[in-house]
Amino acid sequence: DAGITQSPRHKVTETGTPVTLRCHQTENHRYMYWYRQDPGHGLRLIHYSYGVKDTDKGEVSDGYSVSRSKTEDFLLTLESATSSQTSVYFCASATGAEETQYFGPGTRLLVL
Amino acid sequence: AQSVTQLDSQVPVFEEAPVELRCNYSSSVSVYLFWYVQYPNQGLQLLLKYLSGSTLVESINGFEAEFNKSQTSFHLRKPSVHISDTAEYFCAVSSPISGGYQKVTFGTGTKLQVIP
Repeated sequence: DAGITQSPRHKVTETGTPVTLRCHQTENHRYMYWYRQDPGHGLRLIHYSYGVKDTDKGEVSDGYSVSRSKTEDFLLTLESATSSQTSVYFCASATGAEETQYFGPGTRLLVL
Repeated sequence: AQSVTQLDSQVPVFEEAPVELRCNYSSSVSVYLFWYVQYPNQGLQLLLKYLSGSTLVESINGFEAEFNKSQTSFHLRKPSVHISDTAEYFCAVSSPISGGYQKVTFGTGTKLQVIP
């Protein structure tokens, strides 16, 4: 399995505070993705990256920003957390856009 | 725009019985197709994928899926399920977008519950 980790694994925060989630991969994969998983919605793409400093929006990007300053790290920031952003967040990486995505273990975020 | 439909949100099945998890997609271009499995409290793992060639693809643990272009389907089947197959299964479709990149869309998932 690809070495992909997420931190923190669990977080509780209050509405209006900024939150940053980190994804770290050791496979030198070019592509990285952030998804959120909610009951009845499956996985929805928030943002993705196709290289260092190259990122683009997914289908549910409002309220989120990302940064990728190194190949191995992809950060997701909730600029001002809202209760609707309570979810499980998954990071994934891949060698190519059409290739298998390798997923991290997820981060459970609760916004009170 | 592409989309993926998994009509069954939950599928209960008795152990050693066959199962089929349905997946239909829509896309105006050629696609790659994937099935991922998610065990409780874990991330998703690739089960099998179709990129080209034979329309029937198999996984190492006995699952298979057949790409049917005319019906735009990629149903997942297993002739005899085991308790350990209890998990949530996600179908995904990947197709090219501008700039040479691929867009991946996941279905809403099907929870397979194997009953002893």
